[in-house]
Amino acid sequence: KQEVTQIPAALSVPEGENLVLNCSFTDSAIYNLQWFRQDPGKGLTSLLLIQSSQREQTSGRLNASLDKSSGRSTLYIAASQPGDSATYLCARGGSNDMRFGAGTRLTVKP
Amino acid sequence: DGGITQSPKYLFRKEGQNVTLSCEQNLNHDAMYWYRQDPGQGLRLIYYSQIVNDFQKGDIAEGYSVSREKKESFPLTVTSAQKNPTAFYLCASSTGTGKNQPQHFGDGTRLSIL
Repeated sequence: KQEVTQIPAALSVPEGENLVLNCSFTDSAIYNLQWFRQDPGKGLTSLLLIQSSQREQTSGRLNASLDKSSGRSTLYIAASQPGDSATYLCARGGSNDMRFGAGTRLTVKP
Repeated sequence: DGGITQSPKYLFRKEGQNVTLSCEQNLNHDAMYWYRQDPGQGLRLIYYSQIVNDFQKGDIAEGYSVSREKKESFPLTVTSAQKNPTAFYLCASSTGTGKNQPQHFGDGTRLSIL
């Protein structure tokens, strides 16, 4: 059973476009929500961490939001660049587990 | 600078062979984790350790074994009992000792079958 879902699985946009990646989770007992970036053949790099008491976090061109009531988180990327091309994963920290989505593969075309 | 080092980057296993993946961290983190990543799926937890000389099974521990003799090291052995070992293996660590703690990841080891 997929507890953390990321849609779409792949996304291609032209450079400069603002975009939103979606993450939904089924367990409302959320402890934190973490967004990661993964480049091909590499590990995960943490981008943003939202604690359950927070609504959003920002870092540079990235903004992540958390809506516990609807079981959703979004990652907003402003003014996308080709260097943003990667797979973006979200992970939901529950009461005593961490569940990962399968990721959204983003391609930003010059 | 601090981080998590996984080695080797690529590993090949012959039929019936056990292989060991290395994970070392110099972040002074108490907890360490091993995940398996398959195409189109989220990461799945194999084993985790909250403290030296202690570890617990994750969701897919069958066919794997670990040890935690030192705080810095958490090697994973893929045994011959693991019939489908081809995957990307990721090691992580965290300051907190729960399974829900924010984690820092190594660069992974890709295991393939010869």
